[in-house]
Amino acid sequence: AQKVTQAQTEISVVEKEDVTLDCVYETRDTTYYLFWYKQPPSGELVFLIRRNSFDEQNEISGRYSWNFQKSTSSFNFTITASQVVDSAVYFCALRVYGGSQGNLIFGKGTKLSVKP
Amino acid sequence: DTAVSQTPKYLVTQMGNDKSIKCEQNLGHDTMYWYKQDSKKFLKIMFSYNNKELIINETVPNRFSPKSPDKAHLNLHINSLELGDSAVYFCASSHYVASGSLFFGPGTRLTVL
Repeated sequence: AQKVTQAQTEISVVEKEDVTLDCVYETRDTTYYLFWYKQPPSGELVFLIRRNSFDEQNEISGRYSWNFQKSTSSFNFTITASQVVDSAVYFCALRVYGGSQGNLIFGKGTKLSVKP
Repeated sequence: DTAVSQTPKYLVTQMGNDKSIKCEQNLGHDTMYWYKQDSKKFLKIMFSYNNKELIINETVPNRFSPKSPDKAHLNLHINSLELGDSAVYFCASSHYVASGSLFFGPGTRLTVL
């Protein structure tokens, strides 16, 4: 069975602080994808990144970076110099490649509040 | 030029009514989904269609009936609405059933009174 755990329910930081959102996943499959989505207060789900299980290179996109470690089954997300606009619920998700179902399995989300 | 669109955005109705939510994607994707987000923000798959064929039905009450007239559309009809159906319903699509990123619509907030 597949599972995604986001242990941090809520995080509150002050603007310009760095913050890391944790994600731990479980799967027996060797080929899978990991995702992060952002859900701002307006409610839409915004795709941030997809990473496949064979690519453990860390990725950086502006103030966002992702650390994928298969040894610990983790796919953590760091926001550097956080801004108020980063306030949102962030979801980590897992998708098994080639499965007949093809759906995303979501963690319960981490609510990030960035205060000015 | 919206990729995945849903209508309506808000739906307020009385218990016992029947309602529909429409979804359209213009990405040329083969697979479409309905997800439900409850009041605690938990997102869970309800249905998945690949090339108009149902491939997932996750123990959803049979009051919920998806319909896919073509690859670009996946509608959700709900009969005899109950208070517990209040949630945000998201439509999504992906290029293939086996891989690819899911792109979500803006969501439909359903409130049952």
